[in-house]
Amino acid sequence: KQEVTQIPAALSVPEGENLVLNCSFTDSAIYNLQWFRQDPGKGLTSLLLIQSSQREQTSGRLNASLDKSSGRSTLYIAASQPGDSATYLCAVGAIGNEKLTFGTGTRLTIIP
Amino acid sequence: GAGVSQSPSNKVTEKGKDVELRCDPISGHTALYWYRQSLGQGLEFLIYFQGNSAPDKSGLPSDRFSAERTGGSVSTLTIQRTQQEDSAVYLCASSFDRSSYNEQFFGPGTRLTVL
Repeated sequence: KQEVTQIPAALSVPEGENLVLNCSFTDSAIYNLQWFRQDPGKGLTSLLLIQSSQREQTSGRLNASLDKSSGRSTLYIAASQPGDSATYLCAVGAIGNEKLTFGTGTRLTIIP
Repeated sequence: GAGVSQSPSNKVTEKGKDVELRCDPISGHTALYWYRQSLGQGLEFLIYFQGNSAPDKSGLPSDRFSAERTGGSVSTLTIQRTQQEDSAVYLCASSFDRSSYNEQFFGPGTRLTVL
């Protein structure tokens, strides 16, 4: 059974700093990996999707990497802003039906 | 529509009542997923539809839970004889096909409270 872990559970950093969020998964046989953000009381917003054959994806200040063989992904946020404060969730998609198994998330607070 | 929509946004019900939750996926999306987010369990998969068929129902927690999808579009999740442990946010997602590597787009969720 796939298990996804995110460390740390919570992180506070001053505005402007670069930061890295970590995600690890136990079964490397994945179809894809998605990073989401969730604001309090809201649904999930897709940030980046990495195909199993890819090593990284970039969107603006965000960069996500994938090392499938070691079961790890990182989300790098450059020049953090207060608007980046949210919970960040990592999810791996299963081969066959792509159902997502989620980590428990990292709650990020950017201090102005 | 522009995104996945769900209704109602909030539902409060009494223990033992039946509830129906609705999901309208993005137009043209063939795959539809239901997930549940609760404090104790995090975000967990419930059921997957491809078109109108549900090849994976493995996440449904009990036979009180059922779902259907009609016309390859709208889906309804039904919970019969609700229990307090059913209280959670129910999220729906849709995706297109493998050419887009099945990126899933989520609706805002339905917050269910069972008293």
